[in-house]
Amino acid sequence: EAGVAQSPRYKIIEKRQSVAFWCNPISGHATLYWYQQILGQGPKLLIQFQNNGVVDDSQLPKDRFSAERLKGVDSTLKIQPAKLEDSAVYLCASSLIYPGFEQYFGPGTRLTVT
Amino acid sequence: SQQGEEDPQALSIQEGENATMNCSYKTSINNLQWYRQNSGRGLVHLILIRSNEREKHSGRLRVTLDTSKKSSSLLITASRAADTASYFCATVYPGGGADGLTFGKGTHLIIQP
Repeated sequence: EAGVAQSPRYKIIEKRQSVAFWCNPISGHATLYWYQQILGQGPKLLIQFQNNGVVDDSQLPKDRFSAERLKGVDSTLKIQPAKLEDSAVYLCASSLIYPGFEQYFGPGTRLTVT
Repeated sequence: SQQGEEDPQALSIQEGENATMNCSYKTSINNLQWYRQNSGRGLVHLILIRSNEREKHSGRLRVTLDTSKKSSSLLITASRAADTASYFCATVYPGGGADGLTFGKGTHLIIQP
């Protein structure tokens, strides 16, 4: 089966610019997650969707980050305006709807903010 | 903040040897999962152990969970060069429908040929 797709794979922007990342989960996976992974650290959850709804966005910096999942499938994560400390890999993951299932991760988008 | 802490931070062993890495966490969990990350295949799920389980096996992997000590260990037997990667434990808090993973900082494992 096809895995989680993400684009772009790499992005370089200047601080204060905006950027958007796209994710297409595995077909049939109702739950979608966005994680931020800073170099040398483990991924940190930013937001969890179940179908169209947000389940957990407690660690999303809402003053600059936003995310949406239209029609319960694809999702976009946006940063506006970007800061230097946003340089990281942004990972999208999906899983089946019931808790306790493994998560399948996409290849990630490496963002560099200069 | 990150829930889990892996130990050691880095580990280098010879091919064919066993590798053991440990994870400690701070609060009650629903389940604990181990993931592997390398440049070739990204972040991949290895094994999930639930809070009412004590040990699980999957191929060359053995995971234990001690909820009284809030710790878990991952054993990789008969290591191969392809096992070179970073290994993360990740915990899921109980309840509420939110099951996003809380990752530790990882153990970087190098298998010397």
